[in-house]
Amino acid sequence: DSGVTQTPKHLITATGQRVTLRCSPRSGDLSVYWYQQSLDQGLQFLIHYYNGEERAKGNILERFSAQQFPDLHSELNLSSLELGDSALYFCASSVDLRGTEAFFGQGTRLTVV
Amino acid sequence: EDKVVQSPLSLVVHEGDTVTLNCSYEVTNFRSLLWYKQEKKAPTFLFMLTSSGIEKKSGRLSSILDKKELFSILNITATQTGDSAVYLCAVEAWTGAGSYQLTFGKGTKLSVIP
Repeated sequence: DSGVTQTPKHLITATGQRVTLRCSPRSGDLSVYWYQQSLDQGLQFLIHYYNGEERAKGNILERFSAQQFPDLHSELNLSSLELGDSALYFCASSVDLRGTEAFFGQGTRLTVV
Repeated sequence: EDKVVQSPLSLVVHEGDTVTLNCSYEVTNFRSLLWYKQEKKAPTFLFMLTSSGIEKKSGRLSSILDKKELFSILNITATQTGDSAVYLCAVEAWTGAGSYQLTFGKGTKLSVIP
């Protein structure tokens, strides 16, 4: 157990809908990273928050947004969902700005039907 | 755009064989290269390499980085069925905006058969 908690574990929703994925980082970690893993694209970096502030954006679609709250948990919001958004979404946390020291959560499996 | 390419994409070997997994990269502001093992869900960290030519070892696994030729290899000796997994290579780079970013390769799926 990495100490990073993601909810829900599985999510099935219809195209056009909006969902929110939640991540609780390890105690003491200030950084939260979001990744998307699909079969054809591999693991792709979406966005990084540090102590409530956005620090880096990767290949995140405009339909997706994230935030990190004062208690340091983070949420990833996915809207106007398309079939191609079906993927495993991982959250990782680290104590500082370096993702190399990050621990991954178990992921949320999103299926868009 | 930063790029990480792993080869082969998949590999099937017999228990006891030795395997070599490859990772090449093109990254601006390179900081480190990492290897992860992904079984069913979350990737788990194996190695971080920052300097060329220094081999990192952990049991039957070892890895080395060549910063001149921009590649790394992961070796697994005396493979066991428990080594079956997807092995991910990632490169850490400084974004220039106060943050580091990991770029992952698509992974090598290793299947070890008894």
